[in-house]
Amino acid sequence: GQQVMQIPQYQHVQEGEDFTTYCNSSTTLSNIQWYKQRPGGHPVFLIQLVKSGEVKKQKRLTFQFGEAKKNSSLHITATQTTDVGTYFCAGPAGNNRKLIWGLGTSLAVNP
Amino acid sequence: NAGVMQNPRHLVRRRGQEARLRCSPMKGHSHVYWYRQLPEEGLKFMVYLQKENIIDESGMPKERFSAEFPKEGPSILRIQQVVRGDSAAYFCASNHGQTYEQYFGPGTRLTVT
Repeated sequence: GQQVMQIPQYQHVQEGEDFTTYCNSSTTLSNIQWYKQRPGGHPVFLIQLVKSGEVKKQKRLTFQFGEAKKNSSLHITATQTTDVGTYFCAGPAGNNRKLIWGLGTSLAVNP
Repeated sequence: NAGVMQNPRHLVRRRGQEARLRCSPMKGHSHVYWYRQLPEEGLKFMVYLQKENIIDESGMPKERFSAEFPKEGPSILRIQQVVRGDSAAYFCASNHGQTYEQYFGPGTRLTVT
């Protein structure tokens, strides 16, 4: 069945270092979304990418959708302790509005 | 605009009891999604509902679990005869069904003793 995979599963960085998480789908996606979940919190929608090759930025976060619309990445420049959390990607599954989720990348930032 | 509300936030049940989890979607949203999350794990899709309809329940265990979203009132996820393995965080999310992004509630942390 359709799968969405994320790597790495965990990442520890020093504050100020960059961080990247990668998302790969087994099928072509009409769109891909990214969410962030802080420890003890709930997932919060960050962004949706729709177009092939699309790049969007939110301050220090850069999101990219691959040309084949099967992969995506989230890059954080100069991480801060406020970036700590788990980052999930998700894409549509089938012909309803259900999403298929990656297992997430947990980011720890050492001050 | 009030966000997605879930109650209770924490629920403790003894084995064999019933757990009822409630979710009020964001105003204007008519689509609700339920997820289960174990500690340090990802989100597991359970069920997708629209008002008075179950759209997709492919992630729901066949026994003991049921969900509804009536015409009036919140969506309810019901777990009958709970077992220790049901202990988890249960999140609901909502949207208006015309786009894919989902807005999550704070979750209900269920503990089965």
